[in-house]
Amino acid sequence: DIQMTQSPSTLSASVGDRVTITCRASQSIGNWLAWYQQKPGKAPNLLIYETSNLESGVPSRFSGSGSGTEFTLTISSLQPDDFATYYCQQYSSDSTFGQGTKVEVK
Amino acid sequence: QLQLQESGPGLVKPSETLSLTCTVSGGSISGSTYYWGWIRQPPGKGLEWIGSIHYSGNTYYKSSVKSRVVISVDPSKNQFSLNLSSVTAVDTALYYCAAIRGSYDDHFHIWGQGTMVTVSS
Repeated sequence: DIQMTQSPSTLSASVGDRVTITCRASQSIGNWLAWYQQKPGKAPNLLIYETSNLESGVPSRFSGSGSGTEFTLTISSLQPDDFATYYCQQYSSDSTFGQGTKVEVK
Repeated sequence: QLQLQESGPGLVKPSETLSLTCTVSGGSISGSTYYWGWIRQPPGKGLEWIGSIHYSGNTYYKSSVKSRVVISVDPSKNQFSLNLSSVTAVDTALYYCAAIRGSYDDHFHIWGQGTMVTVSS
């Protein structure tokens, strides 16, 4: 199985901050990577697919980049609604998720 | 707007079979280009893909659960189901069904709200 490692596990930030989350794959996955946002008690919500494609309805402050084994999710200006846990998912070979990054209030 | 809803017992005894159903509304399970999948999330932990199915019946399973899992589809009811046999406490989790846009292991486009299943005697 392809292993996905996210960093950091927890990120403390303030409204307006630029936030970057990193996801590393144990082998090359091309551009087959998605990002999800999950709030407590809710199902994950698709933000980005194929590394950098913004899902319809997702604010443009979210962006994704990378290729191969290293990927990033960037929130350009953190908003109150963005405090949540974020997961990456590779779908190059079967499907595996990162362990999650919790974005909390600083 | 496609919506998914999980249903099934919230408590299953060890060694028994966990059975869940996902009902799809707002679209036809057989008329779409989606695959359909199951994902679980143990309490306080991350997400794990279990398996996927196409309305044609083609199935794909995570290797670590392959010997215990069966996913089936019933287009006439617009439903697909998960059966996980010989459950233990490690199978305690929030189980989600989802619509997968693309291939069987592609990104999860639309999710159900999830249903909690506890394995306990």
